[in-house]
Amino acid sequence: DTAVSQTPKYLVTQMGNDKSIKCEQNLGHDTMYWYKQDSKKFLKIMFSYNNKELIINETVPNRFSPKSPDKAHLNLHINSLELGDSAVYFCASSADVSGPYNEQFFGPGTRLTVL
Amino acid sequence: AQSVTQLGSHVSVSEGALVLLRCNYSSSVPPYLFWYVQYPNQGLQLLLKYTSAATLVKGINGFEAEFKKSETSFHLTKPSAHMSDAAEYFCAVTYTGTASKLTFGTGTRLQVTL
Repeated sequence: DTAVSQTPKYLVTQMGNDKSIKCEQNLGHDTMYWYKQDSKKFLKIMFSYNNKELIINETVPNRFSPKSPDKAHLNLHINSLELGDSAVYFCASSADVSGPYNEQFFGPGTRLTVL
Repeated sequence: AQSVTQLGSHVSVSEGALVLLRCNYSSSVPPYLFWYVQYPNQGLQLLLKYTSAATLVKGINGFEAEFKKSETSFHLTKPSAHMSDAAEYFCAVTYTGTASKLTFGTGTRLQVTL
C-alpha cells in the first residue's frame, strides 16, 4: 500500500494552460504539505493544511491554489502555467502540526514540464 | 530566520570508506533537525531525526548523526559506504511554533565508487 500517492507522475503541458496535481495519504495523518523542488534540487515548502485548514502559505503566486476536500487529500491547481513552474512537486503528510519532530512522509513526486 | 547549510554539493567516497555529510544550522531557539535521503526519481525518505532526547541519533541503513550545539552542527556519518548509499541527502530544520514547517538545505549528492 502506498502511504502518500500523487497523480500524475509526469505532466507535460503548454504555457498558459491550467493543470491539477492530486495527492492522497492513507496514513490517517492530519497535516499535509506541498513542496516544490527546482532543477537544482532545492526543496521549498509551498503550502500546508491541517485538518483541511490552510496553516502555511509561503510566498507563492496566486496562480497556485491548494484545495483539501478532506484531510486525506490535498490537491494543487495551477492556473496560467509559466516556464518557471517546471519543477518536481512533492506532497507530504505528517501526524499533526503540533509536533515539529513528527516525520513527514513524502509522495513520489510529480514532474511538471511547461513548454 | 531558520536555515541550514550543507557544505559540499557533491561528495565522492570509495565503497567501504567513511561517509561524512556536513550540516550546520542557524538558530536562536532549540531546533529539530532531520536528515532525508532521496534516491533517483523518488520521494524523500527519513534517515533520522534529532528531537533533543539524545545528541547521538541512530537512523536507518547504518547512518547516524550527532547534534553539537556548540558547533551548531548535525553532521551525518556512516562508517562504511555501500554502493546502494548513492543518493541525494538533505538536512532540514524546524522549530516549535512554526507549524512543522521544514526548511531544507541545498542537498549533497553522495557518489560511491568501487
